[in-house]
Amino acid sequence: ETGVTQTPRHLVMGMTNKKSLKCEQHLGHNAMYWYKQSAKKPLELMFVYSLEERVENNSVPSRFSPECPNSSHLFLHLHTLQPEDSALYLCASSRQGNTEAFFGQGTRLTVV
Amino acid sequence: QKEVEQNSGPLSVPEGAIASLNCTYSDRGSQSFFWYRQYSGKSPELIMFIYSNGDKEDGRFTAQLNKASQYVSLLIRDSQPSDSATYLCAVTVSGYSTLTFGKGTMLLVSP
Repeated sequence: ETGVTQTPRHLVMGMTNKKSLKCEQHLGHNAMYWYKQSAKKPLELMFVYSLEERVENNSVPSRFSPECPNSSHLFLHLHTLQPEDSALYLCASSRQGNTEAFFGQGTRLTVV
Repeated sequence: QKEVEQNSGPLSVPEGAIASLNCTYSDRGSQSFFWYRQYSGKSPELIMFIYSNGDKEDGRFTAQLNKASQYVSLLIRDSQPSDSATYLCAVTVSGYSTLTFGKGTMLLVSP
């Protein structure tokens, strides 16, 4: 248990569906992240929120939309996804000024 | 383009041996270096971090950093079958943990 909780753990969705991934951290950290992990590829940073400021990877498609209502919660809203978006989506958090990041258990997403 | 390179493996070692995992990085501005362990189907787990040149030891694990040569390594002494996993090297240049990961090296420890 890392103190970072993600739900759901598994998600199967059709290309026309809308769903959201949720992440919650209980570590008192000030920064939260979404990473994507596809088979045989490095972990890819998608979004960073620090003190409610958003930084994003410009290569992430607009069908992925993050939301960070406070420093403990992070969402990833999904709509009209493609099969190639199937991957493990990982949330992480860190303390500002301390670069150690702790990961949640991930959501295994399958787009059919 | 910031890159972190690792040999994908698998690296096979017998139980009790020393496993040596290597990582090189391209950005000379990199400041912090991390090793994560990831079991199949699980999320990455932080096992070591190092910020300064030299060695850092924690139990059976030793991280080694050489900024001049831009490489970082992880030594696992007395390897156990439970150490079998993929080891991810990650680096960051900022204070906000925007980690850049390598693809990872799969380690297999045989009994």
